Amino acid sequence: AQSVSQHNHHVILSEAASLELGCNYSYGGTVNLFWYVQYPGQHLQLLLKYFSGDPLVKGIKGFEAEFIKSKFSFNLRKPSVQWSDTAEYFCAVGAYTGFQKLVFGTGTRLLVSP
Amino acid sequence: DVKVTQSSRYLVKRTGEKVFLECVQDMDHENMFWYRQDPGLGLRLIYFSYDVKMKEKGDIPEGYSVSREKKERFSLILESASTNQTSMYLCASSGTAGSSANEKLFFGSGTQLSVL
Repeated sequence: AQSVSQHNHHVILSEAASLELGCNYSYGGTVNLFWYVQYPGQHLQLLLKYFSGDPLVKGIKGFEAEFIKSKFSFNLRKPSVQWSDTAEYFCAVGAYTGFQKLVFGTGTRLLVSP
Repeated sequence: DVKVTQSSRYLVKRTGEKVFLECVQDMDHENMFWYRQDPGLGLRLIYFSYDVKMKEKGDIPEGYSVSREKKERFSLILESASTNQTSMYLCASSGTAGSSANEKLFFGSGTQLSVL
């Protein structure tokens, strides 16, 4: 069975600081990897995804993530955060079976202070 | 624009009540999902459906059932609500295999259920 670990439950940063959120997964086969974001009062939305190819993927709002197969990791990064990045971030792993049935991590709450 | 609509934003029910949570999507998606979201536990899959009248158990189906009589509607049923089912419930959908809509989940805004 798949599992996902997010090591940071709460992160507090000042604007312009760099961000890296850790995500490790456990699964023996080929996986698809995702980061979803939930802004305050809004629904969950896709930030970026990795299926295959270039292990460095870029998403919306300047976010990127790197898939490191040997480490079973898919860490999320942003060089310079903004106050508007305050949100909860979820890493997810899926094994494609005709659709994406995802297993989510426990989430990381990011607070960016102006 | 893609839309997944959950009928209630907030619900308060009493222990032992039968509770229906409704979800409707307007994108003609085949796949629909019910998750619950709890602080510190993230999202956990309760049930999913990949076609009308089809359903599959997720990771935490105990105490829940689902119904999918029409393609656009996926209902979550709590037969006898208990306090440990107090949670945020999220509905999601995804599209046809091979389409870009199949590559991600589209989420509703959630229903915060409190069972007293």
